[in-house]
Amino acid sequence: RKEVEQDPGPFNVPEGATVAFNCTYSNSASQSFFWYRQDCRKEPKLLMSVYSSGNEDGRFTAQLNRASQYISLLIRDSKLSDSATYLCVVNRGNDMRFGAGTRLTVKP
Amino acid sequence: DAGVIQSPRHEVTEMGQEVTLRCKPISGHNSLFWYRQTMMRGLELLIYFNNNVPIDDSGMPEDRFSAKMPNASFSTLKIQPSEPRDSAVYFCASIISGVADTQYFGPGTRLTVL
Repeated sequence: RKEVEQDPGPFNVPEGATVAFNCTYSNSASQSFFWYRQDCRKEPKLLMSVYSSGNEDGRFTAQLNRASQYISLLIRDSKLSDSATYLCVVNRGNDMRFGAGTRLTVKP
Repeated sequence: DAGVIQSPRHEVTEMGQEVTLRCKPISGHNSLFWYRQTMMRGLELLIYFNNNVPIDDSGMPEDRFSAKMPNASFSTLKIQPSEPRDSAVYFCASIISGVADTQYFGPGTRLTVL
């Protein structure tokens, strides 16, 4: 079983839709959590950190449930430019573990 | 400021040849990571260095892979001899350990072993 599990998708949604991605992690000692975005043939880039209290950045909302070892990302009013692969990342000290990614395609 | 720099960006080689990938971390970052990404296995951590010292190399696939960091501004990942199953994108990332835990990735080296 992988340490970080994500639904690989693909998610194909129309512009303006709301889409949610989920992620579970197995190591309860994990300390910090992130969502990264990776465009085709590019490097991963930080989208946002994830806090227990939940945090929002514009159209993006991230949630963490430590008890259930579950992380989520909600994208509202999706744009064509949101099309990418979204990687769930769990960190133990300097040891970052990446999920396999969830592919999102937003269509006109 | 320059980000993480990797070279070459693309490498095509034949099975059995030695391959050397290079990385220059962001200036001031003291931890450096090497990752491999494939469709089948996703993004895998191969090895990471803290203050030029290898801390965890448990992700290195086998003895054919080796990594060095002779100074704070340069690291290499070497594959000798290369095999077709080594074909992947290899990313280098850096961070300021103990201050922030957001990794900054280089553009990657796309390796094809024929």
